[in-house]
Parts: sequence; C-alpha cells; structure tokens
Amino acid sequence: NAGVTQTPKFRVLKTGQSMTLLCAQDMNHEYMYWYRQDPGMGLRLIHYSVGEGTTAKGEVPDGYNVSRLKKQNFLLGLESAAPSQTSVYFCASSFLLAGPYEQYFGPGTRLTVT
Amino acid sequence: GENVEQHPSTLSVQEGDSAVIKCTYSDSASNYFPWYKQELGKRPQLIIDIRSNVGEKKDQRIAVTLNKTAKHFSLHITETQPEDSAVYFCAAGAAGNKLTFGGGTRVLVKP
Repeated sequence: NAGVTQTPKFRVLKTGQSMTLLCAQDMNHEYMYWYRQDPGMGLRLIHYSVGEGTTAKGEVPDGYNVSRLKKQNFLLGLESAAPSQTSVYFCASSFLLAGPYEQYFGPGTRLTVT
Repeated sequence: GENVEQHPSTLSVQEGDSAVIKCTYSDSASNYFPWYKQELGKRPQLIIDIRSNVGEKKDQRIAVTLNKTAKHFSLHITETQPEDSAVYFCAAGAAGNKLTFGGGTRVLVKP
C-alpha cells in the first residue's frame, strides 16, 4: 500500500514551458486535492476533485488546470510556467464520509521556474 | 471564504516544557479542525483532529481544545522532546472536505 505518490519529485522549468504533475493514490479515496506551499507559508488549495470526472477551483487556481479521468489519479497542469509558480506542490486525498475526514498527503514536488 | 490565523509564527521552548499554539477561524460553518506536523523536507502528517461537537481531545502528550463560540482552537504539547521540533499547521474544514490552513508555527525544542 503506497498511499499517495507524486511524480516527479523535482523539476526545473524555463518561463513559458509547460508540464504536468501526476498524483496517484491506492486507498480508493473519492476526494483529491492539489496544494502549493511557498517558503514560510501554509498550504493553499489550488484545485480539488470530489470524484472521477469532476474538478473544482480552490483558493489559488489561476495558471493551473487539472483533470481526474481515473479515480486514483489527479493531474495538475501548468500551461505556461511563470517564476511566481516556483513552489512545493502537494497532492492529498481523503474519503467521502459524513463530514470532513483526514487528508493524506503525498511527498511533494519541488518546482523551480527560471 | 474561510480565514485561519495562527500564532505564534515561531516558538522556542526548553525540553520538558509545554508548547501552545493558537488558531482562530472566521467561518462558523467549519466543523473539523485538524493539526498537521511537517518536518523539514517532508510531507504534512496529521497528529490530532477535533470535530465541532467535542470541546477537547487528548492523545498522549498532545491535546487540542476548541471554543466554537469564540471561533478558536489550540494545540497543547506537554513534556516537549527534541523530536517535537517541526512546523505545525492548524486547519479548518467544512462540507466538501476543503481545508483552509493557518500560516504555520515553527517549533524549536532546545535540549
């Protein structure tokens, strides 16, 4: 049981390049989330999904797109990377129960945009 | 939307002393309050959580209290140890399981 995994672990992009971050979970969780964490700050929600085929915007969605074609995978895309998107990106997942439930986090992807 | 404020931003304690971190939230609909611990370069991990129908919860050296009327909740760590050194985040959540995180508290336990 791997839990939540993310690929890649590190990436350096030039301004204007595109990339996709992959999140996978093997816990059969309905909910999945993408956060970004900037130095000395908390986690901010980018986008989330309440089930296969559904996505919704979080607190800071601009410049990002997401897709959830399979229940176990949640993809985060940057179409035209900007230096302001330099950050550590965490994926998380949780069950759908009666009320909020623990979110399990992946190991993170450190992205640098030059 | 929800806004979570966390204080202090840094906390230095002597080994064996207690540490207290406080958070306030703005949305009265929030009903789930988890605390996460993040060690340097690692992922956040849940250490304790509390729901709005409970005022206090304890797990060994860690306890959380919730005051729904005042919209604040606190994390208490007793008998601190060097391995408690980390960044701690509070969060508030409601329907849809979206969490809003506080800015974090860097705790340093001095041996």
